[in-house]
Amino acid sequence: QVQLVQSGAEVKKPGASMRVSCEASGYTFTSYGIGWVRQAPGRGLEWLGWISGHNDKTNYAQKVQGRVTMTTDTSTNTAYMELSALRSDDTAVYYCARVDWYYYDPNGYSEIDYWGPGTPVTVSS
Amino acid sequence: DVVMTQSPLSLPVTLGQPASMSCRSSQSLVYSDGDTYLNWFQQRPGQSPRRLIYKVSNRDSGVPDRFSGSGSGTEFTLKISRVEAEDVGVYYCIQGSWWPPTFGLGTRVEIK
Repeated sequence: QVQLVQSGAEVKKPGASMRVSCEASGYTFTSYGIGWVRQAPGRGLEWLGWISGHNDKTNYAQKVQGRVTMTTDTSTNTAYMELSALRSDDTAVYYCARVDWYYYDPNGYSEIDYWGPGTPVTVSS
Repeated sequence: DVVMTQSPLSLPVTLGQPASMSCRSSQSLVYSDGDTYLNWFQQRPGQSPRRLIYKVSNRDSGVPDRFSGSGSGTEFTLKISRVEAEDVGVYYCIQGSWWPPTFGLGTRVEIK
């Protein structure tokens, strides 16, 4: 069965960086991408970006462009998301999800299915 | 980006009664391959989202048949035929026909 296991909760100070990991199992990691989504307390879901599982292609949301870096390690089937210059409004639960994106078309369709359990990140001085 | 608008934001329901919620997109979700990539996810309290419905009306494996999705173009509906206590949570529509994927704000289902 498909599983996405995320790293544990983090507490960071403003201006610091965070890194969340997402270890995948139960499917061929290189056949799908990984998307990252966050949910601030009491708020809805916010798309952060996507990384391919096989060729390091990334696509970041404009809101976090310049502060976010997504990477993968295919030897351990793990995806990582790093967010720098943290602010209080980055406080949220960060989710990884399996995402299949037909990126040959810049507006290609995407399918999101399985999600990780989420990683709470608190940014506070 | 495509804007997804869900209604109502809150839906109090009686156990055993039906429930219905809507999702509207700012652009048609019919992709060039003819499919419509509109999904419904359930997020129970304290849990991560779980996909219930993909491509408008297809139930994921293990999803009870009391959940059904319908719609076309820009208007979509999720129905629960008889609400059970375990259905409490927030339901999100998520479109994948345009990049990037976008989400509605959710409909919160609660028991009266």
